[in-house]
Amino acid sequence: DAGVIQSPRHEVTEMGQEVTLRCKPISGHNSLFWYRQTMMRGLELLIYFNNNVPIDDSGMPEDRFSAKMPNASFSTLKIQPSEPRDSAVYFCASSPLAGDSFTDTQYFGPGTRLTVL
Amino acid sequence: GNSVTQMEGPVTLSEEAFLTINCTYTATGYPSLFWYVQYPGEGLQLLLKATKADDKGSNKGFEATYRKETTSFHLEKGSVQVSDSAVYFCALSDRQSSASKIIFGSGTRLSIRP
Repeated sequence: DAGVIQSPRHEVTEMGQEVTLRCKPISGHNSLFWYRQTMMRGLELLIYFNNNVPIDDSGMPEDRFSAKMPNASFSTLKIQPSEPRDSAVYFCASSPLAGDSFTDTQYFGPGTRLTVL
Repeated sequence: GNSVTQMEGPVTLSEEAFLTINCTYTATGYPSLFWYVQYPGEGLQLLLKATKADDKGSNKGFEATYRKETTSFHLEKGSVQVSDSAVYFCALSDRQSSASKIIFGSGTRLSIRP
């Protein structure tokens, strides 16, 4: 089975540009999570979706960040305009939802390393 | 709120040494507990999990036991290898009314010397 797919794997952009990160969760998974990882702040949960609906976006740092999940097989995280402090590795993860119970395990993608100059 | 506290790193050991990475948690209810591992340049992978008190999770020679009385989930391995060098994250599930998220610790970097 294919795991979580993220693209691009690496992105270098200049300050002020728009950046779009993409994620394809594992087929059949109902929950999707976006994380950011930096040396200074560690692993931070930005937002997560359940059945394509955003549940908690309290981790989104500011209005420059937005995330969408138009269908069960695709999500985007957009930064507009980007700033050097946004440089980080961004991970997407997905998790199955089995009926009325929850399967808590999350499966992570390989990440997108973003560098904003 | 729910939280996880784990041993600060880095931890450096010689090959075949015994490993313990401490993890304690604060939670309401009965969360699942996890250890995830992150190898250089990769995403996090589930190493092991335990879903209720006294459960022992195990994988690849690593073990951790869900201790409700001490709110702990310490990771152990009897004989580490160079290939175990990675960052290890302790985590717990935080179930809400309609979804479940995971709260991660800060991570412990492990380096194994040949």
